[in-house]
Parts: sequence; C-alpha cells; structure tokens
Amino acid sequence: GAGVSQSPSNKVTEKGKDVELRCDPISGHTALYWYRQSLGQGLEFLIYFQGNSAPDKSGLPSDRFSAERTGGSVSTLTIQRTQQEDSAVYLCASSPAGLLGREQYFGPGTRLTVT
Amino acid sequence: DAKTTQPNSMESNEEEPVHLPCNHSTISGTDYIHWYRQLPSQGPEYVIHGLTSNVNNRMASLAIAEDRKSSTLILHRATLRDAAVYYCILRDNNAGNMLTFGGGTRLMVKP
Repeated sequence: GAGVSQSPSNKVTEKGKDVELRCDPISGHTALYWYRQSLGQGLEFLIYFQGNSAPDKSGLPSDRFSAERTGGSVSTLTIQRTQQEDSAVYLCASSPAGLLGREQYFGPGTRLTVT
Repeated sequence: DAKTTQPNSMESNEEEPVHLPCNHSTISGTDYIHWYRQLPSQGPEYVIHGLTSNVNNRMASLAIAEDRKSSTLILHRATLRDAAVYYCILRDNNAGNMLTFGGGTRLMVKP
C-alpha cells in the first residue's frame, strides 16, 4: 500500500521567503509527526498531531514555524521568513491511532535549502 | 524520554552476524525500547521494539538485558543493504508520543 508521501522532495528558497511543506500520511493513521534533520545530525522533533489537534508543539524552534492538519489527513508545515539555519531535511511520520508503543512510518523527507 | 548511549560506528563483514549495543541505564518501567534505522538519503525505518522480553521479527532480533539497562539489536546475517545509521530510542508509553533520536551507530558492511 501507499506509504507516507511528502512534497516537494526538494525546495530551494531565498532567505526571508515563506515556504510550505506538505505531508500525506498513510490512510487511516490519526497520529502525525514532523521532525527535521540538519546535515550530519540526528532527528529533531518539531510537532505532533492527534487528529487535527496538536497536543505537543514543544519542538517548534521559533514562532516562524507553524503547522496545521485538516480532515485528519494532510498536514502542512509552514516556515515564515526563512533563515539559513532552517536548511535541513524535514521528515514527516504517521502512526496508527491508539496503539501505544507502535512504530512510526516515515516519508522520504523534503530537503529545504535556504540561500 | 531517558537517554541512550550507542557506539558512533561499527563495521561488519557481509553475511556475518552483527550485534549493535545500546545502554540505557536510566530506563523507566514504562519505556519501550525501539530501534530504527536510516539508510542514506532516506527517512528512518522501523526495525523492532520491545519492553522486557526478547523479540524477533523478519528484520532482526532484540535482546533485552534482565535489568533492562541495556539491549542489543542483532542482525543475523548482514548484507550490504543493511549499511545504515541504527538508532536505539526509549519511548515512554505514558508520555508524549514523539521519538527522541540520539546520534545512533553508523554500521558499515564490507563485502
């Protein structure tokens, strides 16, 4: 079946511009997560959705970052006024509902480069 | 989530078993032990997880120490495709659901 998909796969933007990154989770997965991975680093948690609500936004690095999820499915991560330090691979993952301890399924990521 | 400690890198020969260690001395009773791996230029991939008992699946085996302060991921027969960064992660079943990734172990497989 279809896995988690993300678009675009690559995004190059100029410093100061806004960008939107999209995640399509696996159908039926109610939990959705955003992470980012800077070059040569481990993954950093950004935000978690259960359905359309975000009970944990603790990882968002600044108020330039926001995310929403509609219809319990697609999620969009928006970065306003991008900075060079925002350059990273942004990864989305989804997980079935109500199954604590179960695995997360990751998408291929969006590579963001801010010039 | 409690912290894990893994070697930065390990080497293995193709078709030989690989034992990837992980120390988690501050693990709590509600922490599950998860292993993920990340192949080059890909998102992480779930490998296996367990709580107290050893676990086996088609990808690997997970051996958990009796005191749960350490665990070992076992790849029974390494292939070139197994070259990846392997992450050992503790996930509290009662708290937030995100995964906290450390540095992981970079496994290199030699033909």
